[in-house]
Amino acid sequence: DAMVIQNPRYQVTQFGKPVTLSCSQTLNHNVMYWYQQKSSQAPKLLFHYYDKDFNNEADTPDNFQSRRPNTSFCFLDIRSPGLGDAAMYLCATRAGGAEQFFGPGTRLTVL
Amino acid sequence: KQEVTQIPAALSVPEGENLVLNCSFTDSAIYNLQWFRQDPGKGLTSLLLIQSSQREQTSGRLNASLDKSSGRSTLYIAASQPGDSATYLCAVRPADRDDKIIFGKGTRLHILP
Repeated sequence: DAMVIQNPRYQVTQFGKPVTLSCSQTLNHNVMYWYQQKSSQAPKLLFHYYDKDFNNEADTPDNFQSRRPNTSFCFLDIRSPGLGDAAMYLCATRAGGAEQFFGPGTRLTVL
Repeated sequence: KQEVTQIPAALSVPEGENLVLNCSFTDSAIYNLQWFRQDPGKGLTSLLLIQSSQREQTSGRLNASLDKSSGRSTLYIAASQPGDSATYLCAVRPADRDDKIIFGKGTRLHILP
């Protein structure tokens, strides 16, 4: 009965090779978030969708893009991964003023 | 600009003890505050959500309090167990930016068997 699902759980890519991470939710929440978390640091918000409205954080690199084709799915595209993009990527959802629910994360390794 | 601080950064306590984790925030204009648990290499698990109008929330051995005027929240863990070992993060939702939450850096808790 997983509510926020992320695939894959572990992703290995090569320097400069595009990669896509996916997130799906069974909660029918209208808000979806993508965070980047590096070791021993707090999650850093990259962008979020309020329904189909896309909101980009000012310091999110242009190398990162996102797509939300429908309520249930959201994708994070990294066009040309660098070594500094190796991190845990967390997807989260929220409905209205309620709590955020996080997925298990995707650990990205860049070789 | 809202800032969230969690002190200490790490804490070790013997099994069975009651303990308190602290979270402070600089701007009292918040919509709610949420406590999360994160195990190594895993995602975040929501523990408790306190709305700005509430003073506390309880779930099992966990009790979270909120003093909005002083910019503080505490997470009380009763009768700690080794399975409670994890990083605990608090996050506030600013009242003027309902779409995002501001995280503290977390307290890494280790319960000694």
